[in-house]
Amino acid sequence: DGGITQSPKYLFRKEGQNVTLSCEQNLNHDAMYWYRQDPGQGLRLIYYSQIVNDFQKGDIAEGYSVSREKKESFPLTVTSAQKNPTAFYLCASSPRDGEQFFGPGTRLTVL
Amino acid sequence: EDQVTQSPEALRLQEGESSSLNCSYTVSGLRGLFWYRQDPGKGPEFLFTLYSAGEEKEKERLKATLTKKESFLHITAPKPEDSATYLCAVQARLNYGGSQGNLIFGKGTKLSVKP
Repeated sequence: DGGITQSPKYLFRKEGQNVTLSCEQNLNHDAMYWYRQDPGQGLRLIYYSQIVNDFQKGDIAEGYSVSREKKESFPLTVTSAQKNPTAFYLCASSPRDGEQFFGPGTRLTVL
Repeated sequence: EDQVTQSPEALRLQEGESSSLNCSYTVSGLRGLFWYRQDPGKGPEFLFTLYSAGEEKEKERLKATLTKKESFLHITAPKPEDSATYLCAVQARLNYGGSQGNLIFGKGTKLSVKP
């Protein structure tokens, strides 16, 4: 069953804590993306990767970090430098220059 | 600057009452325009890609159309299960630079269909 999985579904972070969100795909897609969604706003691009071992900053990369060591995996770390991390985080993947397909999302809440 | 504006922000329909959602865009060379459906608390579900003015695509009660300035998502005889937020996104051609081909999303139209 091909698709994109994200875990966990819900995540709670304390002030000053780093947390890592998981994203895995078995669609054999080259490109992967991380977006942030806030109420009343469009999806905003955090980071993207078009090939293994390479990634680029999106529009709102400050306070976030990523890695792309495997084609299937693109984890996102929300660091303590991100001052307003409470949001719905979406991972997507696409074939080269193709449509993006999204995972189910992770809702992060700061306590 | 590449930009996408969706209207209305919210739309309430009675079951069977057809209507249209609008997506206006400005982009330095359109590679593609994408429509997604998003249910509360879930990831967006891909619906359509449109590449050139005059193109139309259909899926069940939904039909998407594209001009040089905007796209419409027409909903014919909607049912309550069509209630969702509909997202529009554009992708610029890579050789125009700028967004480097990443998707630019609108804020969405929240559709509610009452029985």
